Amino acid sequence: QKEVEQNSGPLSVPEGAIASLNCTYSDRGSQSFFWYRQYSGKSPELIMFIYSNGDKEDGRFTAQLNKASQYVSLLIRDSQPSDSATYLCAVLSGGSYIPTFGRGTSLIVHP
Amino acid sequence: EAGVAQSPRYKIIEKRQSVAFWCNPISGHATLYWYQQILGQGPKLLIQFQNNGVVDDSQLPKDRFSAERLKGVDSTLKIQPAKLEDSAVYLCASSLDFTSGETSTDTQYFGPGTRLTVL
Repeated sequence: QKEVEQNSGPLSVPEGAIASLNCTYSDRGSQSFFWYRQYSGKSPELIMFIYSNGDKEDGRFTAQLNKASQYVSLLIRDSQPSDSATYLCAVLSGGSYIPTFGRGTSLIVHP
Repeated sequence: EAGVAQSPRYKIIEKRQSVAFWCNPISGHATLYWYQQILGQGPKLLIQFQNNGVVDDSQLPKDRFSAERLKGVDSTLKIQPAKLEDSAVYLCASSLDFTSGETSTDTQYFGPGTRLTVL
């Protein structure tokens, strides 16, 4: 059973701070990695994807991938109260491309 | 571009009854996914279709759940008979083509979901 692990939180940060969300995965052959944001009562929406080791930046968001250590992280700079949501990490296994989601990390950004 | 459509949005049934959910993916998307999301958990993949063929259904409780995508476009998920533990949000998602291995085409887009309550 391929696993994707996330700390359920909640992670509480003050407005303007950097929020750091982490995800580890068990399938060493995984190739594609996604971060989704899910507001309460809503469906997940894509924030960004990454498939190469290193960093990928998109606005206030930076995804970091380290395949050797089997972890992927999401940094949110200048956190805003509107960023308060659950952040889901999703991993596509190599070869079969079957997606596995983590349970999500709840982020609370307080004014 | 229209998003993934799902209906109904909400459904309340009693245990042992049957229920069906419908999903229409984004036009041109070959891959369709059904997920079950229980409160406080991440989405759990139930079944994945590529066009009208099944890619994976290893986590689908086949004694009570069934799904089809007959013409390779829209899909239905059925539960018969429902149990209390089936109370969850059922999410449908689609992607352009998961087989390419390129993240630009295997990115999933989710519909609004169907919230099922089994009493």
